[in-house]
Amino acid sequence: EDKVVQSPLSLVVHEGDTVTLNCSYEVTNFRSLLWYKQEKKAPTFLFMLTSSGIEKKSGRLSSILDKKELSSILNITATQTGDSAIYLCAIIQGAQKLVFGQGTRLTINP
Amino acid sequence: GAVVSQHPSWVICKSGTSVKIECRSLDFQATTMFWYRQFPKQSLMLMATSNEGSKATYEQGVEKDKFLINHASLTLSTLTVTSAHPEDSSFYICSAREGLGFYNEQFFGPGTRLTVL
Repeated sequence: EDKVVQSPLSLVVHEGDTVTLNCSYEVTNFRSLLWYKQEKKAPTFLFMLTSSGIEKKSGRLSSILDKKELSSILNITATQTGDSAIYLCAIIQGAQKLVFGQGTRLTINP
Repeated sequence: GAVVSQHPSWVICKSGTSVKIECRSLDFQATTMFWYRQFPKQSLMLMATSNEGSKATYEQGVEKDKFLINHASLTLSTLTVTSAHPEDSSFYICSAREGLGFYNEQFFGPGTRLTVL
């Protein structure tokens, strides 16, 4: 059965800290891995990773895929209270299906 | 970016009634739409995939007679929860994709919170 596992499930840090969120997967017919940020409503897209070892960056966020280890990390540096959210990792499996992990609930305290 | 809307944003209904949720792509034509369910503190679970003009493909364990999906046009898909029961209470999110390729981004709607009394 296809599986996406995120860790930690919950993380509380202080503003300014750096955090690393983890995602590991076991899926057949892997296509790409995606990271989303979910605040109150719909997930918003952060990154799509297809190739191993190539870091993607957007401001204070960065992510990288390790296909050998079947995993990915999402880094957030100099965290701000606005980074508080649930971060979801998902795999594109097969033709179009997204398989989501449980999410990491990140809380940034001022 | 592309915009997907859902209506209603929340609904409360009595047990045994049916509820229809609409998902619209506002500025693009959605070849494929997806319906997800999210229980509290859990992740999104794909319920079904629908391609315009054809029958939806349901995930294992999702009752097709209970969750009726219609994707009649390239901008609208509907999910009808028939004979809703309290265990159907959940957050339902749709997403829409413009092309057929798996690299085409899925854009998510804001979700519909269903509470069945």
